[in-house]
Amino acid sequence: DAGITQSPRHKVTETGTPVTLRCHQTENHRYMYWYRQDPGHGLRLIHYSYGVKDTDKGEVSDGYSVSRSKTEDFLLTLESATSSQTSVYFCAISEGVGDGYGYTFGSGTRLTVV
Amino acid sequence: KQEVTQIPAALSVPEGENLVLNCSFTDSAIYNLQWFRQDPGKGLTSLLLIQSSQREQTSGRLNASLDKSSGRSTLYIAASQPGDSATYLCAVSYNAGNNRKLIWGLGTSLAVNP
Repeated sequence: DAGITQSPRHKVTETGTPVTLRCHQTENHRYMYWYRQDPGHGLRLIHYSYGVKDTDKGEVSDGYSVSRSKTEDFLLTLESATSSQTSVYFCAISEGVGDGYGYTFGSGTRLTVV
Repeated sequence: KQEVTQIPAALSVPEGENLVLNCSFTDSAIYNLQWFRQDPGKGLTSLLLIQSSQREQTSGRLNASLDKSSGRSTLYIAASQPGDSATYLCAVSYNAGNNRKLIWGLGTSLAVNP
């Protein structure tokens, strides 16, 4: 997707290992989000950032941490991966929180924990 | 509790038909509502954003309406094509302090048959 890229696109990792997913944007948007998508649950917010070094938890934040040291990069770390964290992870960006602002999503990272 | 429901969960139509996808929400105090398209194994593509003060938005063959008082939005697709086959997701945005809270429907899976 234009302006937002996620890496890696696919990853298989072993239980108990740390994993870091990267989201990079070229839009200079203030807000960045990490979601996971699982069948039957829709999209669920993990963490979000409202500025450099400003982050907060979403509804499913346990086992995840984030960092944002630059406007353009938002990292999601699974501290010790578990099978329940097998999912598709999406990054999203938004310019603001007014009602005129929508979300733009990345292409996703498919993570499998074995 | 803020909930978003999309009906039907799946829809199969012949090419050329006009069709309507439905999204209902329980809390009418929305910021905006956004319709997305998701192709299998892909990310989310934004289709239309309707602000809380608007009644509808149009883009090409797509028209989205919003009725806050009844808690409903519809996505109208005119002259459907096989390329419209995808899952369509509705996301409703609410105020959440320094952020917005997105509540997602589970989507309508659309198949347009040649």
